[in-house]
Amino acid sequence: DTGVSQDPRHKITKRGQNVTFRCDPISEHNRLYWYRQTLGQGPEFLTYFQNEAQLEKSRLLSDRFSAERPKGSFSTLEIQRTEQGDSAMYLCASSPRDKDYEQYFGPGTRLTVT
Amino acid sequence: QKEVEQDPGPLSVPEGAIVSLNCTYSNSAFQYFMWYRQYSRKGPELLMYTYSSGNKEDGRFTAQVDKSSKYISLFIRDSQPSDSATYLCAMSEVKAAGNKLTFGGGTRVLVKP
Repeated sequence: DTGVSQDPRHKITKRGQNVTFRCDPISEHNRLYWYRQTLGQGPEFLTYFQNEAQLEKSRLLSDRFSAERPKGSFSTLEIQRTEQGDSAMYLCASSPRDKDYEQYFGPGTRLTVT
Repeated sequence: QKEVEQDPGPLSVPEGAIVSLNCTYSNSAFQYFMWYRQYSRKGPELLMYTYSSGNKEDGRFTAQVDKSSKYISLFIRDSQPSDSATYLCAMSEVKAAGNKLTFGGGTRVLVKP
């Protein structure tokens, strides 16, 4: 399978704990995006990488959130001191060079904060 | 008010009917218009995209963009029960440093056999 992969698929954690998600983009794609989707809503943009550089962050990305893409390949999204409002589906997408509109999504990581 | 508005549905149609979906938007800087299909608890799947105004056809799917009215549509001909899903419209500007997608809330479609 050469699509975008995400791990884990589902994470249940207690309020106040830290969680980390991983995304592996399509191998030849140099751009990687993180989105968050809550029930009944469309995905909302969180942040974006071109290679290893984080080029844009949404105001939704509070200081409890941090994302990295250390070698320009896989990316991680960490949430510190989770809150119940962080419960959502976290989606990763990647796109080929010069075709940002052609974003391919992974299956998502569903986070439940109890 | 959201930048992209989409009727949440659900939209229920009999098998074989034409499904008509649409979105309105407020940001005149949007240049790319996408349609995604999302099955329950799965990631969105890119169906097709259109640049600027005009029509685009791909198999049973036709996308239309009317930038003067800030209105886009997706038509699904000969609908099948497997088309039952949530359909999301998405849009982006054209920037040198990457283009985030702005999504509508999605329309649930149910195609009944």
